[in-house]
Amino acid sequence: RKEVEQDPGPFNVPEGATVAFNCTYSNSASQSFFWYRQDCRKEPKLLMSVYSSGNEDGRFTAQLNRASQYISLLIRDSKLSDSATYLCVVNSKTSYDKVIFGPGTSLSVIP
Amino acid sequence: SQTIHQWPATLVQPVGSPLSLECTVEGTSNPNLYWYRQAAGRGLQLLFYSVGIGQISSEVPQNLSASRPQDRQFILSSKKLLLSDSGFYLCAWSVWVRGETQYFGPGTRLLVL
Repeated sequence: RKEVEQDPGPFNVPEGATVAFNCTYSNSASQSFFWYRQDCRKEPKLLMSVYSSGNEDGRFTAQLNRASQYISLLIRDSKLSDSATYLCVVNSKTSYDKVIFGPGTSLSVIP
Repeated sequence: SQTIHQWPATLVQPVGSPLSLECTVEGTSNPNLYWYRQAAGRGLQLLFYSVGIGQISSEVPQNLSASRPQDRQFILSSKKLLLSDSGFYLCAWSVWVRGETQYFGPGTRLLVL
């Protein structure tokens, strides 16, 4: 089983739609969780951290379920500029800090 | 504020030639530094990790090597490039006070012909 798994998509949604991405991780000792976005041919950029109680940043809501080892990202009122690949990231501390990137989910928001 | 630089932005090299990619970080001390590779349409593959000067951990056996001669400088090298070395090379830094959030440089796009 891969350490971090995501639905690769692509997700093609109309402007204004709500879209949800899911991510699962295998290491129950994981401590920190993040969502990044990566635009085509650009570097990944931090979108938001994911906290145990869930957190919201404008149109974006992230949730964590430690029991199910599951992370989600909800985007409301999708904009054309939301089109990108969304990467789920998990920090599994071992003898050294280890950050695992998921393969990413591609989103295209259509006019 | 912290910034991370990578150069060159793009590079075209023949098979068998050497490689040197440089990454520098400004505005922070003793960062953890990372080298990743992303093949076209694929996810990020961690290549090397460093927690301090001269300390390098390798994640994947390959013909690449890394060095950290200074606190905020990370270099990726190869003596002889292979076709399979083509990809998007990303340097990143992190510090634990931010929960190991990683911040990426703009990347180097390498094409080996």
